[in-house]
Amino acid sequence: NAGVTQTPKFRILKIGQSMTLQCTQDMNHNYMYWYRQDPGMGLKLIYYSVGAGITDKGEVPNGYNVSRSTTEDFPLRLELAAPSQTSVYFCASSLGADTQYFGPGTRLTVL
Amino acid sequence: AQSVSQHNHHVILSEAASLELGCNYSYGGTVNLFWYVQYPGQHLQLLLKYFSGDPLVKGIKGFEAEFIKSKFSFNLRKPSVQWSDTAEYFCAAKHGNNRLAFGKGNQVVVIP
Repeated sequence: NAGVTQTPKFRILKIGQSMTLQCTQDMNHNYMYWYRQDPGMGLKLIYYSVGAGITDKGEVPNGYNVSRSTTEDFPLRLELAAPSQTSVYFCASSLGADTQYFGPGTRLTVL
Repeated sequence: AQSVSQHNHHVILSEAASLELGCNYSYGGTVNLFWYVQYPGQHLQLLLKYFSGDPLVKGIKGFEAEFIKSKFSFNLRKPSVQWSDTAEYFCAAKHGNNRLAFGKGNQVVVIP
């Protein structure tokens, strides 16, 4: 199993540009999550999904959108990038209430 | 909402020293607790978890944590650290739905 994979690893955006961060898991987990990690702030939940077709907001959803058309994929969309969205983004998945497994992260810089 | 507190964000210690990282959570009911570790440049990995049963939980790499319900705590310990334990450590708590609340992390630097 590859586990949770994320692309790209790094990206630089200009203010106002849009992009999609990809996340795929091959563990047949029903739950998937997107977090952002800022220095000294821990991880904050952006969006999560309990299964295909079902998504819900986390703590910091503003400026982001998600979709979950398949069990495996959970892309995160930034429509109008802002400097405040400079962060490291982690995708995670879990089987129900069990342990969350994290991807390697995407480091995004918005200039 | 669940919240998690970790103190002493930066910890510097020498090899063979003992390490203890504090974690306190806010929710008083049934709670699942986790410690994750993030080595430099890597993603988060599970160190150990507590769901129920023995409150002293042993994890990978010689780490252990003790759940003390009366103190709302889940402190992480290692009796003798190594240089390779240099990392950031996150405590997390979950109750009810599957949303994890993370603490702000402890940046641990072990000096050879």
